[in-house]
Amino acid sequence: GEDVEQSLFLSVREGDSSVINCTYTDSSSTYLYWYKQEPGAGLQLLTYIFSNMDMKQDQRLTVLLNKKDKHLSLRIADTQTGDSAIYFCAESNKDNDMRFGAGTRLTVKP
Amino acid sequence: EAGVAQSPRYKIIEKRQSVAFWCNPISGHATLYWYQQILGQGPKLLIQFQNNGVVDDSQLPKDRFSAERLKGVDSTLKIQPAKLEDSAVYLCASSPVQGGKETQYFGPGTRLLVL
Repeated sequence: GEDVEQSLFLSVREGDSSVINCTYTDSSSTYLYWYKQEPGAGLQLLTYIFSNMDMKQDQRLTVLLNKKDKHLSLRIADTQTGDSAIYFCAESNKDNDMRFGAGTRLTVKP
Repeated sequence: EAGVAQSPRYKIIEKRQSVAFWCNPISGHATLYWYQQILGQGPKLLIQFQNNGVVDDSQLPKDRFSAERLKGVDSTLKIQPAKLEDSAVYLCASSPVQGGKETQYFGPGTRLLVL
């Protein structure tokens, strides 16, 4: 089946930039998403990008998409302790079937 | 706008018991999804409803799991009988329509522990 892969852990210092990477295999993906999950909470949509775009910026968040390599990244500028959470990469096709990665646990050290 | 509501938030049962979860999607959202999220993994789709009809239940273990959305609004997911490996967070999500870019909005989940 189609897969979404992410590294499991990332640790950064407060104020640094964080970059979370994701790769996917489904060439028919139409949208790619980044969700944030804090302990005991549901998934919160952070941002999404259409598959024919290569970059989207939203305040401290920058999403880069390399469709040829099927690589998606999320950059968080000026990372804060409140950004500590699990970040899920997800992709959907035209039928809105979504597949999620296993999540990257971001730890921000003061 | 109220978000997706789920209850209960936590449930502990013994194996072979039955359990039911409830979801109230965002008002007006036609599509409703149930996901299973096992610890350390991403959510996995169990079933998708469009209004009160099932669109995709290919990943639902139908020998023990069932779900319904009788009036096209609220939905219940049932496990009968539960197994140890059913311990997970069960997430409900909704979106306005099926297909396209419509984002799925997630509820807080029901955390199930099967002993």
